[in-house]
Amino acid sequence: GAVVSQHPSRVICKSGTSVKIECRSLDFQATTMFWYRQFPKKSLMLMATSNEGSKATYEQGVEKDKFLINHASLTLSTLTVTSAHPEDSSFYICSVPIGGRRNQPQHFGDGTRLSIL
Amino acid sequence: GDSVTQMEGPVTLSEEAFLTINCTYTATGYPSLFWYVQYPGEGLQLLLKATKADDKGSNKGFEATYRKETTSFHLEKGSVQVSDSAVYFCALSTLENAGGTSYGKLTFGQGTILTVHP
Repeated sequence: GAVVSQHPSRVICKSGTSVKIECRSLDFQATTMFWYRQFPKKSLMLMATSNEGSKATYEQGVEKDKFLINHASLTLSTLTVTSAHPEDSSFYICSVPIGGRRNQPQHFGDGTRLSIL
Repeated sequence: GDSVTQMEGPVTLSEEAFLTINCTYTATGYPSLFWYVQYPGEGLQLLLKATKADDKGSNKGFEATYRKETTSFHLEKGSVQVSDSAVYFCALSTLENAGGTSYGKLTFGQGTILTVHP
């Protein structure tokens, strides 16, 4: 069964709306989660590392005030796209690393397709 | 920094053809290597992995061998099926530390679109 649950799977909304995406780790506690953005026919771009109990770590070029990340508990991280505009339309995917070693794979949510009209 | 380079696609094959998708990497440490697959409209699924030199990862008929001397991790399958049509991502993982917790941080290649025709 699914290890990571991401919700919603698809959002269509008007420009200026704020959209919240949830990522839940179903089977284990996760002090760290990752948020990626994927453009059409492109690879995944790491946006930020979500850290439980502390501020998220953002990658260079990602606007902190635009993409708000809250790691509220050991099983839940949320990404809020504030005042979304058409250029924010994309496929957003979260992932959870398993264990504390480099050889452990990450488990990915099914992604959220965000379309801003 | 770390990076992963995959062969550019798209790759189009007939059913039962042989598949190779090349992947090379650069890393400052000793990474683990992964292939992930993304079916249309879905998230990523782990296909296979290898954690040290000369390891061979395999799953669903796909194989890849960790070649440290050539810094490569090429994906192969002897006979592809229509259901293998997807985007394939090569990735490496190195260890990061944050707040006293260590975790594997992934670096992805650009992805290769595979289309298999009947």
